[in-house]
Amino acid sequence: AQSVTQLDSHVSVSEGTPVLLRCNYSSSYSPSLFWYVQHPNKGLQLLLKYTSAATLVKGINGFEAEFKKSETSFHLTKPSAHMSDAAEYFCVVRATGRRALTFGSGTRLQVQP
Amino acid sequence: DAGVTQSPTHLIKTRGQQVTLRCSPISGHKSVSWYQQVLGQGPQFIFQYYEKEERGRGNFPDRFSARQFPNYSSELNVNALLLGDSALYLCASSLVSDSNQPQHFGDGTRLSIL
Repeated sequence: AQSVTQLDSHVSVSEGTPVLLRCNYSSSYSPSLFWYVQHPNKGLQLLLKYTSAATLVKGINGFEAEFKKSETSFHLTKPSAHMSDAAEYFCVVRATGRRALTFGSGTRLQVQP
Repeated sequence: DAGVTQSPTHLIKTRGQQVTLRCSPISGHKSVSWYQQVLGQGPQFIFQYYEKEERGRGNFPDRFSARQFPNYSSELNVNALLLGDSALYLCASSLVSDSNQPQHFGDGTRLSIL
């Protein structure tokens, strides 16, 4: 079985400060891990993906995530938040050979001016 | 290039009715998946189709069905609608059904059941 736990339902930061969105996963097999972002009334946009290559993954818009197998974590970070980063973020896992993506419950990021 | 397109964008139905949602994948993508996103939750997997065959099914009742056409577009059908079917229905496409391939999502169809 596979599952994803996003440890914070809401995160609020000030513009220009670092962002940390936390994700822990559980998977029976070597997983593929993704972060998606969803702006209001929009679909999901892929930020980055981990597929057993480098453990530090760089994505779009300055985001990056680090895969830590020993901690079963895949936290998303950004050095400096921008107002346009305000959105819902989903950590997603897919085990090798599985068809479906399994989504976390999401973290809503607020960016204060 | 156009992304994943879904139609309609919004739909209002009443309990007991039937609905058909449509999805056109990114050009060249042969795999289409459907997800249901209830307000305040993450998306839940409904179906995956690849080369017109069902390759995966989530934990949804038989009222939900889907198909994929020769041009790789897809339809999701829901019969005997219930209030709990109110959700954003997302379609995603990928080149193949391999797990390393990222899925690209459309903007969804917002279905409201009265």
